[in-house]
Parts: sequence; structure tokens; C-alpha cells
Amino acid sequence: EMQLVESGGGLVQPGGSLRLSCAASGFSFSNYWMSWVRQAPGKGLEWVANIKQDGSEKFYVDSVRGRFTISRDNAENSLYLQMNSLRAEDTAVYYCAVRHADSSTGGSFDPWGPGTLVTVSS
Amino acid sequence: QSVLTQPPSVSGAPGQRVTISCTGSRSNIGTGYAVHWYQQLPGTAPKLLIYGNNNRRSGVPDRFSGSKSGTSASLAITGLQADDEADYYCQSYDISLSAWVFGGGTKLTVL
Repeated sequence: EMQLVESGGGLVQPGGSLRLSCAASGFSFSNYWMSWVRQAPGKGLEWVANIKQDGSEKFYVDSVRGRFTISRDNAENSLYLQMNSLRAEDTAVYYCAVRHADSSTGGSFDPWGPGTLVTVSS
Repeated sequence: QSVLTQPPSVSGAPGQRVTISCTGSRSNIGTGYAVHWYQQLPGTAPKLLIYGNNNRRSGVPDRFSGSKSGTSASLAITGLQADDEADYYCQSYDISLSAWVFGGGTKLTVL
């Protein structure tokens, strides 16, 4: 069974940095695209970033490009999201998810981890 | 303002049928990219229900079905049950934004 568990969330001041981790188990991690999706309190879902199996392709939503970096360590079955220059509007639960698609576009997300809360506030 | 438009809420009595619409445009659903549906129970992470417009994920009851036509898609739930109360989200890909996009979500209330 595919399982994902996020960690690294917490309270950070505006302008600060945080690194999220996602531990994967139960599947061949290196065979799948991986993603981060976030959900602000009481709001809907927003895709954040995707990374290809070997890390050679990365995609970001416009609002985080240049501030966030997605990466992975296939030897450790782990996905990461380095978040810099954090803003209040980045406050959200961050989910990691497995992306299923035959190409670099389209596709669905399944499964999702339980999420980790990031709060950006002074 | 979400790229994909869903009604904020729908409701139905136990045993009834409800549908949730997802309206997009020619830059997302209308391009031919598939629509996927997720269920988010209160306080939990989203779960995939329907992928590729009309394919139920393994383990999802056949009370749930998806369809797509033109620039819109729909999720239908028949035989409503109390534990169907959740938020439901549609998702696709937008070629103009080069981004994976979600609807704003629909809260289903079972009366």
C-alpha cells in the first residue's frame, strides 16, 4: 500500500524559511512523479509543485516560483519542499501526493499524505 | 476565484441522487485533459474518487460516477448516505497557465 507522511511544518515569521519532508513507503518511489498541494485554512486545494522521477523536470505554480524548491532523494524515498521568503498567504496545510500521468502534463494525485501545517505569522 | 467552477454547496436526503458540476474552459477541460474528482472528509486529506473523467478508483462504490462533456464535467452520487458528507473537488490541467488546477470545492450535506 502506498503511504506518505509529511513533516517539518510549524510557525515561521514572514520572510523566513522552512523545509518540508515527505517520507514514502509501500511502493517504488523512484518510479513516480511526486507533487505538493496545499490548502489554506477553510479554503480549497491549490497545486504547488511537481517533480519528475529522476528530478530532471520540475514545475511550480506562479505564486511560489523562485521562492520554493521541490527536490527528492530516491535512495531515501523522500520528497522535499524548501520554502524561502515565506509570506502570510503561504499559510496552509501542505500535502505531498503521488502524481499519476503518462507525460509531464495532466494526471491525477493519489494517494495523499495526512498533511503538515505551515503558519506564517509574526 | 478558481479556474474550475463548482457550486459551493449541494444537499440531498438519504437515498437520493445528487450531482456536482465542474465548469472549465477551452484551456483546461475543453482541451481534452481528463477531469479527476476527490473527496475530502472533515479533518482529513483528500482522496481520489474518480480519475480519467469516469473511472472509479479501486474501492470506490459504484454509487459514484463521473462524466465529461465539452468544457464541463459532473460527479453523480446515487443512494446518498450520511458518510458521503464531505467536500468534493474536481481537478484538471490548464494549458494556458501550465498548471494543475482545482475547482473551489463543493460541500455536500446529507439532510
